[in-house]
Amino acid sequence: DTEVTQTPKHLVMGMTNKKSLKCEQHMGHRAMYWYKQKAKKPPELMFVYSYEKLSINESVPSRFSPECPNSSLLNLHLHALQPEDSALYLCASSQVPRGDEQYFGPGTRLTVT
Amino acid sequence: DQQVKQNSPSLSVQEGRISILNCDYTNSMFDYFLWYKKYPAEGPTFLISISSIKDKNEDGRFTVFLNKSAKHLSLHIVPSQPGDSAVYFCAASVKAAGNKLTFGGGTRVLVKP
Repeated sequence: DTEVTQTPKHLVMGMTNKKSLKCEQHMGHRAMYWYKQKAKKPPELMFVYSYEKLSINESVPSRFSPECPNSSLLNLHLHALQPEDSALYLCASSQVPRGDEQYFGPGTRLTVT
Repeated sequence: DQQVKQNSPSLSVQEGRISILNCDYTNSMFDYFLWYKKYPAEGPTFLISISSIKDKNEDGRFTVFLNKSAKHLSLHIVPSQPGDSAVYFCAASVKAAGNKLTFGGGTRVLVKP
Protein backbone atom coordinates (compact mmCIF):
# COMPACT_ATOMS: atom_id res chain seq x y z
CA ASP A 1 0.00 0.00 0.00
CA THR A 2 1.74 3.15 -1.22
CA GLU A 3 -1.22 5.43 -0.93
CA VAL A 4 -1.92 8.60 0.97
CA THR A 5 -5.63 9.30 1.19
CA GLN A 6 -7.30 12.62 1.88
CA THR A 7 -10.88 13.51 2.70
CA PRO A 8 -12.89 15.33 1.61
CA LYS A 9 -11.91 15.84 -2.03
CA HIS A 10 -13.73 19.15 -2.17
CA LEU A 11 -14.84 21.49 0.59
CA VAL A 12 -16.72 24.76 0.48
CA MET A 13 -16.92 26.68 3.73
CA GLY A 14 -17.94 30.09 4.95
CA MET A 15 -15.62 32.36 6.84
CA THR A 16 -17.31 31.57 10.16
CA ASN A 17 -17.33 27.79 9.73
CA LYS A 18 -15.14 25.23 11.45
CA LYS A 19 -14.08 22.26 9.36
CA SER A 20 -11.35 19.64 9.30
CA LEU A 21 -9.27 18.04 6.59
CA LYS A 22 -8.14 14.46 7.09
CA CYS A 23 -5.16 12.54 5.83
CA GLU A 24 -4.25 8.89 6.29
CA GLN A 25 -1.34 6.66 5.31
CA HIS A 26 -0.62 3.01 6.12
CA MET A 27 2.93 2.81 4.86
CA GLY A 28 4.47 3.02 8.31
CA HIS A 29 5.85 6.44 7.53
CA ARG A 30 6.89 8.47 10.55
CA ALA A 31 6.80 11.93 8.98
CA MET A 32 3.68 13.66 7.67
CA TYR A 33 3.23 17.03 6.05
CA TRP A 34 0.65 19.63 5.07
CA TYR A 35 1.21 21.73 1.97
CA LYS A 36 -0.86 24.47 0.39
CA GLN A 37 -0.90 24.93 -3.36
CA LYS A 38 -2.43 27.90 -5.15
CA ALA A 39 -3.23 27.78 -8.86
CA LYS A 40 -0.17 27.76 -11.14
CA LYS A 41 2.16 27.82 -8.12
CA PRO A 42 4.30 25.13 -6.51
CA PRO A 43 3.28 23.48 -3.24
CA GLU A 44 4.27 25.45 -0.15
CA LEU A 45 5.06 23.68 3.09
CA MET A 46 2.82 24.50 6.06
CA PHE A 47 3.58 21.91 8.77
CA VAL A 48 5.77 18.88 9.38
CA TYR A 49 5.06 16.18 11.94
CA SER A 50 7.92 13.95 12.90
CA TYR A 51 7.12 10.88 15.04
CA GLU A 52 3.72 12.43 15.81
CA LYS A 53 5.24 15.67 17.08
CA LEU A 54 5.06 19.01 15.31
CA SER A 55 8.59 19.76 14.11
CA ILE A 56 8.09 22.53 11.57
CA ASN A 57 5.49 25.30 11.43
CA GLU A 58 6.18 27.62 8.53
CA SER A 59 4.67 30.65 10.27
CA VAL A 60 1.18 29.53 9.37
CA PRO A 61 -1.70 31.66 10.76
CA SER A 62 -3.40 30.18 13.81
CA ARG A 63 -6.67 29.75 11.90
CA PHE A 64 -4.97 26.58 10.62
CA SER A 65 -4.44 24.06 13.41
CA PRO A 66 -2.75 20.72 12.68
CA GLU A 67 -3.18 17.58 14.72
CA CYS A 68 -1.52 14.17 14.53
CA PRO A 69 -3.62 11.72 16.60
CA ASN A 70 -1.39 8.75 15.70
CA SER A 71 1.32 7.74 13.25
CA SER A 72 -1.18 7.07 10.45
CA LEU A 73 -3.45 10.08 10.73
CA LEU A 74 -3.00 13.79 10.19
CA ASN A 75 -5.73 16.40 10.52
CA LEU A 76 -5.88 20.07 9.65
CA HIS A 77 -8.51 22.00 11.58
CA LEU A 78 -9.81 25.13 9.90
CA HIS A 79 -11.53 28.05 11.61
CA ALA A 80 -12.36 31.60 10.54
CA LEU A 81 -10.64 31.25 7.19
CA GLN A 82 -10.38 34.01 4.61
CA PRO A 83 -11.23 33.78 0.89
CA GLU A 84 -7.51 33.97 0.09
CA ASP A 85 -7.08 30.65 1.92
CA SER A 86 -8.88 28.95 -0.95
CA ALA A 87 -6.38 26.48 -2.42
CA LEU A 88 -5.50 22.83 -2.87
CA TYR A 89 -4.34 21.38 0.45
CA LEU A 90 -1.97 18.48 0.04
CA CYS A 91 -0.92 15.94 2.61
CA ALA A 92 2.29 13.97 2.22
CA SER A 93 4.24 11.37 4.15
CA SER A 94 7.76 10.03 4.14
CA GLN A 95 9.48 7.08 5.75
CA VAL A 96 11.66 9.19 7.95
CA PRO A 97 11.79 12.95 8.43
CA ARG A 98 15.26 13.40 6.98
CA GLY A 99 15.40 14.23 3.32
CA ASP A 100 13.46 11.23 2.13
CA GLU A 101 11.03 10.97 -0.75
CA GLN A 102 7.63 12.35 0.16
CA TYR A 103 4.48 10.71 -1.14
CA PHE A 104 1.51 12.96 -1.72
CA GLY A 105 -2.20 12.46 -1.42
CA PRO A 106 -4.64 13.76 -4.06
CA GLY A 107 -5.42 16.88 -2.08
CA THR A 108 -8.52 18.65 -0.82
CA ARG A 109 -9.77 21.50 -2.96
CA LEU A 110 -10.91 24.15 -0.46
CA THR A 111 -13.07 27.12 -1.35
CA VAL A 112 -13.75 29.76 1.29
CA THR A 113 -16.78 31.94 0.57
CA ASP B 1 13.71 34.69 -2.68
CA GLN B 2 13.21 31.76 -5.04
CA GLN B 3 15.81 29.21 -4.10
CA VAL B 4 14.70 26.69 -6.72
CA LYS B 5 13.85 27.89 -10.21
CA GLN B 6 12.48 26.24 -13.30
CA ASN B 7 12.95 28.86 -15.97
CA SER B 8 10.91 27.14 -18.67
CA PRO B 9 7.21 27.31 -17.81
CA SER B 10 6.32 24.97 -20.67
CA LEU B 11 7.82 22.45 -23.06
CA SER B 12 6.35 20.77 -26.10
CA VAL B 13 7.91 17.59 -27.50
CA GLN B 14 7.03 14.96 -30.09
CA GLU B 15 6.19 11.47 -28.91
CA GLY B 16 9.26 9.25 -28.92
CA ARG B 17 11.70 12.15 -28.62
CA ILE B 18 13.61 13.26 -25.55
CA SER B 19 12.17 15.72 -23.03
CA ILE B 20 14.74 17.73 -21.09
CA LEU B 21 13.58 19.70 -18.08
CA ASN B 22 15.92 22.05 -16.27
CA CYS B 23 16.12 23.33 -12.73
CA ASP B 24 18.51 25.76 -11.05
CA TYR B 25 19.05 26.36 -7.37
CA THR B 26 20.83 28.97 -5.32
CA ASN B 27 21.18 27.39 -1.88
CA SER B 28 24.48 25.49 -1.76
CA MET B 29 23.26 23.69 1.37
CA PHE B 30 20.76 21.65 -0.64
CA ASP B 31 21.97 18.05 -0.73
CA TYR B 32 18.95 16.12 -1.97
CA PHE B 33 16.95 16.76 -5.11
CA LEU B 34 13.72 15.27 -6.36
CA TRP B 35 11.44 15.44 -9.39
CA TYR B 36 7.68 15.18 -9.13
CA LYS B 37 5.02 14.91 -11.80
CA LYS B 38 1.56 16.38 -11.29
CA TYR B 39 -1.63 15.82 -13.22
CA PRO B 40 -4.53 18.26 -12.79
CA ALA B 41 -6.64 17.62 -9.68
CA GLU B 42 -4.10 15.11 -8.33
CA GLY B 43 -1.28 15.31 -5.85
CA PRO B 44 2.35 15.32 -7.05
CA THR B 45 3.77 11.88 -7.84
CA PHE B 46 7.38 11.16 -6.93
CA LEU B 47 9.47 10.30 -10.00
CA ILE B 48 13.16 10.19 -9.18
CA SER B 49 15.68 11.65 -6.78
CA ILE B 50 19.40 12.25 -6.52
CA SER B 51 21.77 12.85 -3.65
CA SER B 52 24.41 15.55 -3.94
CA ILE B 53 27.14 12.90 -3.77
CA LYS B 54 26.06 11.62 -7.19
CA ASP B 55 25.91 13.26 -10.59
CA LYS B 56 23.49 10.90 -12.28
CA ASN B 57 20.62 8.64 -11.36
CA GLU B 58 18.61 6.57 -13.78
CA ASP B 59 15.26 4.82 -13.42
CA GLY B 60 13.74 3.42 -16.58
CA ARG B 61 12.92 6.23 -18.97
CA PHE B 62 13.87 8.89 -16.40
CA THR B 63 17.39 10.13 -15.75
CA VAL B 64 18.34 12.98 -13.46
CA PHE B 65 21.66 14.77 -13.85
CA LEU B 66 23.18 16.98 -11.18
CA ASN B 67 25.88 19.58 -11.78
CA LYS B 68 26.78 20.87 -8.33
CA SER B 69 29.30 23.45 -9.50
CA ALA B 70 26.64 25.02 -11.71
CA LYS B 71 23.87 24.43 -9.16
CA HIS B 72 21.85 22.87 -11.94
CA LEU B 73 19.90 19.69 -12.38
CA SER B 74 18.00 18.28 -15.27
CA LEU B 75 15.49 15.53 -15.90
CA HIS B 76 15.63 13.58 -19.14
CA ILE B 77 12.64 11.55 -20.26
CA VAL B 78 13.30 9.25 -23.17
CA PRO B 79 11.34 8.22 -25.07
CA SER B 80 8.57 10.70 -24.26
CA GLN B 81 5.05 9.33 -24.23
CA PRO B 82 1.67 11.13 -24.38
CA GLY B 83 1.00 10.01 -20.79
CA ASP B 84 4.01 12.06 -19.71
CA SER B 85 2.03 15.24 -20.39
CA ALA B 86 1.84 16.88 -16.98
CA VAL B 87 3.45 19.57 -14.83
CA TYR B 88 6.88 18.62 -13.54
CA PHE B 89 8.29 20.11 -10.34
CA CYS B 90 11.84 19.89 -9.13
CA ALA B 91 12.37 20.09 -5.40
CA ALA B 92 15.35 20.33 -3.09
CA SER B 93 16.04 19.78 0.58
CA VAL B 94 18.76 19.95 3.20
CA LYS B 95 18.73 16.50 4.77
CA ALA B 96 20.19 17.54 8.09
CA ALA B 97 17.61 20.31 8.47
CA GLY B 98 14.66 17.98 8.37
CA ASN B 99 12.46 17.20 5.46
CA LYS B 100 11.44 20.60 4.16
CA LEU B 101 11.08 20.44 0.40
CA THR B 102 11.51 23.64 -1.58
CA PHE B 103 9.79 23.40 -4.94
CA GLY B 104 10.48 25.10 -8.23
CA GLY B 105 7.66 26.78 -10.12
CA GLY B 106 7.01 23.82 -12.40
CA THR B 107 7.30 23.10 -16.12
CA ARG B 108 4.24 22.06 -18.10
CA VAL B 109 5.15 19.32 -20.57
CA LEU B 110 3.02 18.50 -23.57
CA VAL B 111 3.90 15.36 -25.52
CA LYS B 112 2.33 15.39 -28.96
CA PRO B 113 1.39 12.07 -30.57
